[in-house]
Amino acid sequence: DAKTTQPTSMDCAEGRAANLPCNHSTISGNEYVYWYRQIHSQGPQYIIHGLKNNETNEMASLIITEDRKSSTLILPHATLRDTAVYYCIVRAPWGGYNKLIFGAGTRLAVHP
Amino acid sequence: SAVISQKPSRDICQRGTSLTIQCQVDSQVTMMFWYRQQPGQSLTLIATANQGSEATYESGFVIDKFPISRPNLTFSTLTVSNMSPEDSSIYLCSVEAAGYEQYFGPGTRLTVT
Repeated sequence: DAKTTQPTSMDCAEGRAANLPCNHSTISGNEYVYWYRQIHSQGPQYIIHGLKNNETNEMASLIITEDRKSSTLILPHATLRDTAVYYCIVRAPWGGYNKLIFGAGTRLAVHP
Repeated sequence: SAVISQKPSRDICQRGTSLTIQCQVDSQVTMMFWYRQQPGQSLTLIATANQGSEATYESGFVIDKFPISRPNLTFSTLTVSNMSPEDSSIYLCSVEAAGYEQYFGPGTRLTVT
């Protein structure tokens, strides 16, 4: 079972920041938080990941709470092309291989 | 990053037949993964394929139904055997890069009639 909880859907106005929350209250000390998104009919796209520090790249920022039980993905200036399903995933180490277990995700709709 | 291609991109098959899906990566990778995405659903991991060893299957998936080959570090195949309409899904392969990100192929959309 997925170890994260996300809202089913969210709306955001174009040009505004999109803040997508994720709860992962049972996260272990060595588990990372990953974010992926899936635009309709495409394969998932890696966005960002982090362990405990906040992270930023050209796509987004990831804010992880100090207790690591939740995080927020921030798209600073959402565009219509950011409309997608966003998945928050806690990486589960398994036999030395790091498989990704996908939950239901958050369906983000960016509107004009 | 890694560039992944899959063949075929889509297919319509009759029940009882088998389809082999190919996944090609533009660089050598250790880990390759196969996922299934049923209509309107999230992704479900089928198996992990490591070059030179047997694939490791997730609960609910068996080798007789989804045999996997991994002959080298850039290629893998997934076969969907004895298909039924319930196998209609998008099948995706992915690879893990050195920075532990996974990159996904475009998927193979399978319809079983």
